[in-house]
Amino acid sequence: EAQVTQNPRYLITVTGKKLTVTCSQNMNHEYMSWYRQDPGLGLRQIYYSMNVEVTDKGDVPEGYKVSRKEKRNFPLILESPSPNQTSLYFCASSQGEKLFFGSGTQLSVL
Amino acid sequence: GQSLEQPSEVTAVEGAIVQINCTYQTSGFYGLSWYQQHDGGAPTFLSYNALDGLEETGRFSSFLSRSDSYGYLLLQELQMKDSASYFCAASGGSYIPTFGRGTSLIVHP
Repeated sequence: EAQVTQNPRYLITVTGKKLTVTCSQNMNHEYMSWYRQDPGLGLRQIYYSMNVEVTDKGDVPEGYKVSRKEKRNFPLILESPSPNQTSLYFCASSQGEKLFFGSGTQLSVL
Repeated sequence: GQSLEQPSEVTAVEGAIVQINCTYQTSGFYGLSWYQQHDGGAPTFLSYNALDGLEETGRFSSFLSRSDSYGYLLLQELQMKDSASYFCAASGGSYIPTFGRGTSLIVHP
């Protein structure tokens, strides 16, 4: 089954404790991206990748890192999380105009 | 970058027709997409318009006017299950779309 898999689904952490949210797709898509969703603000693009070892900043990249060492994986790294990064995060992959989203990660930073 | 405007909320009754508008400002524009998101779920793709005109997919249609930087999503024969948030998204040079803030559609019986 074609899918984008994100883990974990829920995560509670404390300020400053490094964390990684994993994202994997099995559709051999070249494009992958990360969004955060906050009430009233819609989906805002954090980082995207157009292929292995090719990444670029989206609209809200501060405080986040990504890597694309393999085509299927695109982890999101928060080196020192802060409370303003409490949000719902979505990973997506695409080939062409259609994005396929993972099920989301609800992150709370205390 | 891209900037999109859409209404925050629309209400309608079951069986009716509703139109959700989206205007965009862009530096480089390839096309306009629409996504549906139910509470607690992930966004799912509905449609994409790269050319002017109307695209129909079952009960849902999407329209684009590039000269007016405007598009809309038309939902016909509304059902209770259509209650959800709807996002327009503009694709530009990066091929990764920028999303609007979303429109909450509430369908009443």
